[in-house]
Amino acid sequence: DAGITQSPRHKVTETGTPVTLRCHQTENHRYMYWYRQDPGHGLRLIHYSYGVKDTDKGEVSDGYSVSRSKTEDFLLTLESATSSQTSVYFCAISADLDTEAFFGQGTRLTVV
Amino acid sequence: AQSVTQLDSQVPVFEEAPVELRCNYSSSVSVYLFWYVQYPNQGLQLLLKYLSGSTLVESINGFEAEFNKSQTSFHLRKPSVHISDTAEYFCAVSKTSGSRLTFGEGTQLTVNP
Repeated sequence: DAGITQSPRHKVTETGTPVTLRCHQTENHRYMYWYRQDPGHGLRLIHYSYGVKDTDKGEVSDGYSVSRSKTEDFLLTLESATSSQTSVYFCAISADLDTEAFFGQGTRLTVV
Repeated sequence: AQSVTQLDSQVPVFEEAPVELRCNYSSSVSVYLFWYVQYPNQGLQLLLKYLSGSTLVESINGFEAEFNKSQTSFHLRKPSVHISDTAEYFCAVSKTSGSRLTFGEGTQLTVNP
């Protein structure tokens, strides 16, 4: 998976609690992305980063925040988890906007 | 804005049969087109992509897709499938040639013996 590690791989949390998912890359790629995958919706972009401390919103960013303090790490935070955020979350990386995106193995999050 | 529609959510076929997975897109600007494959419990892998040039693109494992601009389609085909092709397939578009992808809903291909 092109040197991408997502942690945790599985998590069950309660409604209203904060949750942070981590994506770590060893490729020194500039761009990092968070997608969520839901049945019938494919993958949808939540947030992406184009450099350290440089981030932007995707199409489903409400309820999520991100941070990137180092090139290799991109964190996705659910400030107060809701059941609608139960999903599989994928991190992806790319060297540039014009290069192939590589995906991590995903984090399955269940909010109960 | 761009969008992708995959016309079949599930496609069951028998081994060695041909298969076509359909993908249509809409966009107000020129886009690049991709097919990704997701095997069970894994991330997505790029299967093939159309950036420019020949409208017929091929993957190393026998899949091919044809870009049809007039019909705004990018259907994926394989003349003879194997059990190992069982996976979910995603069509995607992008205004750039690699990332910030917009995905379709996915098509589950199940190859039966």
